[in-house]
Amino acid sequence: EIVLTQSPDTLSLSPGEKATLSCRASESFTSTYLAWYQQKPGQAPRLLLYATSSRASGIPDRFSGSGSGTDFTLTISRLEPEDFAVYYCQQYGRSPNYTFGQGTKLEIK
Amino acid sequence: EVQLVQSGAEVKKPGESLKISCKASGYTFSNYWIGWVRQMPGKGLEWMGIIYPGDSDSDIRYSPSFRGRVTISADKSISTAYLQWSSLKGSDTAMYYCARKVGVNAIVDYWGQGTLVTVSS
Repeated sequence: EIVLTQSPDTLSLSPGEKATLSCRASESFTSTYLAWYQQKPGQAPRLLLYATSSRASGIPDRFSGSGSGTDFTLTISRLEPEDFAVYYCQQYGRSPNYTFGQGTKLEIK
Repeated sequence: EVQLVQSGAEVKKPGESLKISCKASGYTFSNYWIGWVRQMPGKGLEWMGIIYPGDSDSDIRYSPSFRGRVTISADKSISTAYLQWSSLKGSDTAMYYCARKVGVNAIVDYWGQGTLVTVSS
């Protein structure tokens, strides 16, 4: 099983600042199979990025992704008030155990 | 428009059985994978398993942590996927989401709204 560890657990920032979220895997896998999701309270997750760096439909370009092997990063260039939420990375290449990271809570400072 | 509409919230006692549903519309049900994701209160997301309804036999795959604890099925005639338990435990209390995947190793492109299952004596 690929274990994904996200850091930090909580990130406190202000609107307009840059956010950098990390996702580290217990073993290397193809970057084609790394996604990032955003989840707000009471809502289903929302796909942000897939294949490490491809934005899903309707996702603003302030969201970007990078990485390879075991280290992946989600960057939000300038935080908007609606960006404060919980973010999950997920690997989806090892059927059927598509593991998620434990999540990073992005909160308003 | 693609939609996944899940059944309503459930309150059950330990030991009881339960089957929750995910009704799909707006696409050809047999041609896409449907998965189930658990989210325990205040916790993260856990992938439980997936099903490919297919035109003939279904392909069902369980994550190791959930194999033997739940059953995933589908009724192609009514475009509905199911997640069921034969004997619930308190630790099954969670929100359960269904999710559509284009392929077995593809992203989730649509989510259901979630079904809250509460197991309490």
